[in-house]
Amino acid sequence: NAGVMQNPRHLVRRRGQEARLRCSPMKGHSHVYWYRQLPEEGLKFMVYLQKENIIDESGMPKERFSAEFPKEGPSILRIQQVVRGDSAAYFCASSPDRASGYTFGSGTRLTVV
Amino acid sequence: AQSVSQHNHHVILSEAASLELGCNYSYGGTVNLFWYVQYPGQHLQLLLKYFSGDPLVKGIKGFEAEFIKSKFSFNLRKPSVQWSDTAEYFCAVTEPYGNKLVFGAGTILRVKS
Repeated sequence: NAGVMQNPRHLVRRRGQEARLRCSPMKGHSHVYWYRQLPEEGLKFMVYLQKENIIDESGMPKERFSAEFPKEGPSILRIQQVVRGDSAAYFCASSPDRASGYTFGSGTRLTVV
Repeated sequence: AQSVSQHNHHVILSEAASLELGCNYSYGGTVNLFWYVQYPGQHLQLLLKYFSGDPLVKGIKGFEAEFIKSKFSFNLRKPSVQWSDTAEYFCAVTEPYGNKLVFGAGTILRVKS
């Protein structure tokens, strides 16, 4: 089992560009969660998705951020028109159901220059 | 809203010293509790978790944690740390069947050899 796969590991974008972060959950896991880790802070919940559905997006900024988890393929976290404050590590986690603990991916470190 | 407090942001210990990292949460109901570890440059790994039953939970690598409901605490302990325990440790809480883990800010442990 390959675990939760995130790519790219590192992503550099100029201000105003778009960032697309990908997450493939563990085999058999249909629940995907995205978290953001800012320097000197813990992980902050962003969004929880199941296949083709957004279940809870209470942690997502209202503008420029979106997430999807299509029927086929990885979950995508999309950040439009990135700003310097978006620089962070973005972690994806998956679980087989809502009661189990998560398995985390290695994260994508986004740097906006 | 649920919040998680980790008492120390940085801890420095010598090898063979005992470790206790504090974690308190705010939610008064039934909770699931987790400790994750993040080694330098790596993803978060689950150390241990508590869902119900014996409040003293044993995890990997000699770690244990004790759930004290009356104190809203879930402190992490290890009797004798090793240099390889140098990492950042995160406490996290979720309501049963809840959507999201709420993380503490993390404690960076440095073990001197």
